[in-house]
Amino acid sequence: DTGVSQDPRHKITKRGQNVTFRCDPISEHNRLYWYRQTLGQGPEFLTYFQNEAQLEKSRLLSDRFSAERPKGSFSTLEIQRTEQGDSAMYLCASSLVSGPEQYFGPGTRLTVT
Amino acid sequence: EDQVTQSPEALRLQEGESSSLNCSYTVSGLRGLFWYRQDPGKGPEFLFTLYSAGEEKEKERLKATLTKKESFLHITAPKPEDSATYLCAAYNDYKLSFGAGTTVTVRA
Repeated sequence: DTGVSQDPRHKITKRGQNVTFRCDPISEHNRLYWYRQTLGQGPEFLTYFQNEAQLEKSRLLSDRFSAERPKGSFSTLEIQRTEQGDSAMYLCASSLVSGPEQYFGPGTRLTVT
Repeated sequence: EDQVTQSPEALRLQEGESSSLNCSYTVSGLRGLFWYRQDPGKGPEFLFTLYSAGEEKEKERLKATLTKKESFLHITAPKPEDSATYLCAAYNDYKLSFGAGTTVTVRA
């Protein structure tokens, strides 16, 4: 399967702990995006990379959130000092610069207790 | 601020009963209108991109259309496997702005 993959699929953590998620995009895609989706809502944009450069961050991305794409391939999203309000599905998508179609991974479901 | 609104929130159909979903948008610098299908607990699955008013695209029992202010997703003679949440999203230079979705349930 050459689609977008995400790991882990599910994460349960206690409030105050740090968590890290990984996303592997479609291999030839040079843009990578992170979105967050809460129950009953559509995904909300968090940030995106073109190759290794992080080009845009949403106001939703507080100081506790950090994303990296060190070699322009996979990306990680870290949440420090998790809060119950961080509970959501975290979605990764990728695309080509030349074409806007974004293809999503299966998501990581985060539950903060 | 960019705004995308979908209606209805939920739609219950009998198998074979055709219907339409609406997506209205207020987006500056719109460069495309996307439709996705999302099954419970999974990521959105890409369906269509529409770029200009008057454009139409079809895939099996689904047809998407676009005007200057809204898009429609028509479901013709739906089957139970068409049950899902359908999301529309407006695209500007880099990000998708999603509506909340329409959850479609098709009963056999």
